Amino acid sequence: DTGVSQNPRHKITKRGQNVTFRCDPISEHNRLYWYRQTLGQGPEFLTYFQNEAQLEKSRLLSDRFSAERPKGSFSTLEIQRTEQGDSAMYLCASSSGLAGGLGNEQFFGPGTRLTVL
Amino acid sequence: GEDVEQSLFLSVREGDSSVINCTYTDSSSTYLYWYKQEPGAGLQLLTYIFSNMDMKQDQRLTVLLNKKDKHLSLRIADTQTGDSAIYFCADGVEDGGSQGNLIFGKGTKLSVKP
Repeated sequence: DTGVSQNPRHKITKRGQNVTFRCDPISEHNRLYWYRQTLGQGPEFLTYFQNEAQLEKSRLLSDRFSAERPKGSFSTLEIQRTEQGDSAMYLCASSSGLAGGLGNEQFFGPGTRLTVL
Repeated sequence: GEDVEQSLFLSVREGDSSVINCTYTDSSSTYLYWYKQEPGAGLQLLTYIFSNMDMKQDQRLTVLLNKKDKHLSLRIADTQTGDSAIYFCADGVEDGGSQGNLIFGKGTKLSVKP
């Protein structure tokens, strides 16, 4: 399967703990995006990378959140000192980043569902 | 900031056409997208339209764009029970000639009755 993969698929943690999620984009896709989706809402943008450079961060990305893409391939999203309000589905997407319609298409992974108790 | 609005629910009978509407505020949108999300599944890209197009047809799907009114619609012909899902409209944010992040609506839940 050459789609976007995310691990773990589910994570249950206690408030105050740190969690880390991983995203493996489609091979050779330059851009990688993180979104958060809560129940009854559409996905909300968190941050995105062009290769290893983090180009933009949403105001939703508080200081407790950090994302990396060290080699321009997979990415990790870490949440420190989790709060109950962090409970959500965390989605990763990738695109080729090339100019034109097909290069802009973002392909989404299955998501990591985080539950903070 | 940019915003995308959709009606939350739509119910149709199998075999009828479904029309899902969306409005957006970003005047610099270059691409607009429709995604489908089935229960427990990820987001599936259905189709997209470039802002200089009025219409795009892809099999049972027809996308209409009224750029003046910032209105986008998705028509599904001959709707089937398998089309039951949440449909998201998304606006692609311009980023130096390419595409940055997407701004999503809250989604329209389509229910298809047999």
